[in-house]
Amino acid sequence: DVKVTQSSRYLVKRTGEKVFLECVQDMDHENMFWYRQDPGLGLRLIYFSYDVKMKEKGDIPEGYSVSREKKERFSLILESASTNQTSMYLCASRTGVSGRGLFFGSGTQLSVL
Amino acid sequence: AQTVTQSQPEMSVQEAETVTLSCTYDTSESNYYLFWYKQPPSRQMILVIRQEAYKQQNATENRFSVNFQKAAKSFSLKISDSQLGDTAMYFCAFMKPGGSNYKLTFGKGTLLTVNP
Repeated sequence: DVKVTQSSRYLVKRTGEKVFLECVQDMDHENMFWYRQDPGLGLRLIYFSYDVKMKEKGDIPEGYSVSREKKERFSLILESASTNQTSMYLCASRTGVSGRGLFFGSGTQLSVL
Repeated sequence: AQTVTQSQPEMSVQEAETVTLSCTYDTSESNYYLFWYKQPPSRQMILVIRQEAYKQQNATENRFSVNFQKAAKSFSLKISDSQLGDTAMYFCAFMKPGGSNYKLTFGKGTLLTVNP
C-alpha cells in the first residue's frame, strides 16, 4: 500500500513564526500536492510539484512556499505564520500516469495563535 | 477553470438503507476523470470510486456505485446497504487528462451520517 506520511498530526505555532510541514511518500510518485482544508470550503490547492525541484502554484499560494529537494519529500513552508493560516493541511501524492487519483496523508491540524 | 459543486452540505440515512450524494461539475473538456473520496473522522482521505468520462458504463465498487450523466455534467454517488462505518465527509473531485501534473479540483463536501 502507498504510504504518505505527514510529520505532525497537530501543531501549535505563534504568529510570525516560520513553520515547516513535512510530507514523505514511499511509492516513488512523481507528483506531490499540498491542500488546505477548511469547513465549508472543501480542499483548496496551495502548491504542487511534478518533479524534483519543480513546483507550480495552486489556487491559494499566497503566504506559502514549498521545497522538493528529493523525490519522496515535499515540504510546505509558512514564512511568517498568521492566524488566518490556522487550518488542516493535507499532503497527497500520485503517479504521473494520467487519470490516477491521489493518495493522501492523514493531515496536520495547524493552529496559529 | 473547472468547478465542482456538491449541493448537499449534510445528509443522513438509516443503517441498511440507500443514499445518493449529488455532484455537478462545469468543464469544456470532453475527456476527464471524476472521483469520489471519503474522509471519516480519522481524517484519512480514501478513494472510493473513479470514473473515466469516455466510458459510458457507470463505475461500481461493492456497495458504492455512480450515476454518471455526461451531458448533464452530473456525477452522483449511491451507497447501498449503508453501514455505520460509512459515516464520513464525502468529496467529489474532477481531473482533466493529459500530462503528469494535472491536479484534482474538489467540491466542498457532503457530510453523511449513518444512524443506527
